[in-house]
Order: sequence, then C-alpha cells, then structure tokens
Amino acid sequence: NAGVTQTPKFQVLKTGQSMTLQCAQDMNHNSMYWYRQDPGMGLRLIYYSASEGTTDKGEVPNGYNVSRLNKREFSLRLESAAPSQTSVYFCASLWGREVGNEQFFGPGTRLTVL
Amino acid sequence: GQSLEQPSEVTAVEGAIVQINCTYQTSGFYGLSWYQQHDGGAPTFLSYNGLDGLEETGRFSSFLSRSDSYGYLLLQELQMKDSASYFCAVREGRGKLQFGAGTQVVVTP
Repeated sequence: NAGVTQTPKFQVLKTGQSMTLQCAQDMNHNSMYWYRQDPGMGLRLIYYSASEGTTDKGEVPNGYNVSRLNKREFSLRLESAAPSQTSVYFCASLWGREVGNEQFFGPGTRLTVL
Repeated sequence: GQSLEQPSEVTAVEGAIVQINCTYQTSGFYGLSWYQQHDGGAPTFLSYNGLDGLEETGRFSSFLSRSDSYGYLLLQELQMKDSASYFCAVREGRGKLQFGAGTQVVVTP
C-alpha cells in the first residue's frame, strides 16, 4: 500500500496563477483533510471531507476550493495564487472510527508563490 | 476562542526524560492526540487519549485530564532520533483535528 500520496512535491507559481494539488489514499478511509503548515507553525485545517460527497470548511478556507472526486481522491485548488499562500500543504486521511484518532499524512507539497 | 498551548522548545540530553504539556480550549472534545514531525517530513501519529489517564507505548507515554483540559507527552530514554517537533491535537468531532503550534525537542549528546 502506498498510503497517502500527493502531487506535485514542489511547485513555484506566480501571483494570480492557478493550480490543483492532488491527493489520493489507498487505505479505504472515509475522511480526508487538507492542511497548510507555515514555517515554525502547527498545521491549520483548510478543508475536510468527512465522507465521499461531502466537504466542509476548516480554519483557513479563503482562497481555496476542494473536490472529493471519489472515496480515494481529494484535490485542493488555488484559483488565483497569492504570496500569502506560500506554505507546505499536507493531505491526510482517517478511517472514521470513533475510537482512536490516527490521521495518516502524505509527504506534502511545498508551494512557493512569487 | 479555541486554542492549544504547548511550549515552543525543550532541550535535553540523551537518556533524559522530557515532558511536553498541552492545555486546550476547544469547542468540542473527543480526545487528545500527539504527532511527531521530523524536519522536512510529514507528521506521524504517536498516541491518543480518549479517556482520562495514562497510555504507554514503548518509550512514549501520554496522559489526559479532561477536567483540567490538560495532557502531556512523556518521552523517556531520549535518543538523538527523538529530535523533532511534537504536536498535540484535539479531536473536535467528524474526525477534525485542531493542532497546537508544536514543541521543538532538541536532544544533545
């Protein structure tokens, strides 16, 4: 099993450009999440999908959109990138059990917006 | 408001014991988790406390007191490879996690 995969690993954009970050998991997990992590900071939730067909805003959703394409895939789109969106983006998934709390994280996408 | 407070940095020598405290104030609470993150890497799960008390996993233990909105992670027999950032996270429901800002643990020889 590959776990959680993310593409691309690195990306440089110019202000105003758009892009989509891809995430896929092969663990049959119900819930998927997108976080951003700024230097020296914790992870902040952008959007999440508790189950296929649903998405909800997290703590910092402005400037982003998401699509839960199917149970495996959850993409994050930046419509018009801004320098404030320079960050490391992590995708995560969770089976959805009520006990235990283990989210599995992808390797991250390092995004720089010039 | 919602917040999780943990120390920003802890330094200790190899073989020592380190305790990282976490106090939280969140809208919902379904448990406290701890994650480890090495520089440049992804967070990885260490432990979870859904009920009050101590959970032990090898050299790492985690404690929760829901009445005090407080928990801690105990790292024993510190090794150089334990140098990393450690995050506490509260489960708020529907699997949502709110993370603290992280504690950088520096292990010295």
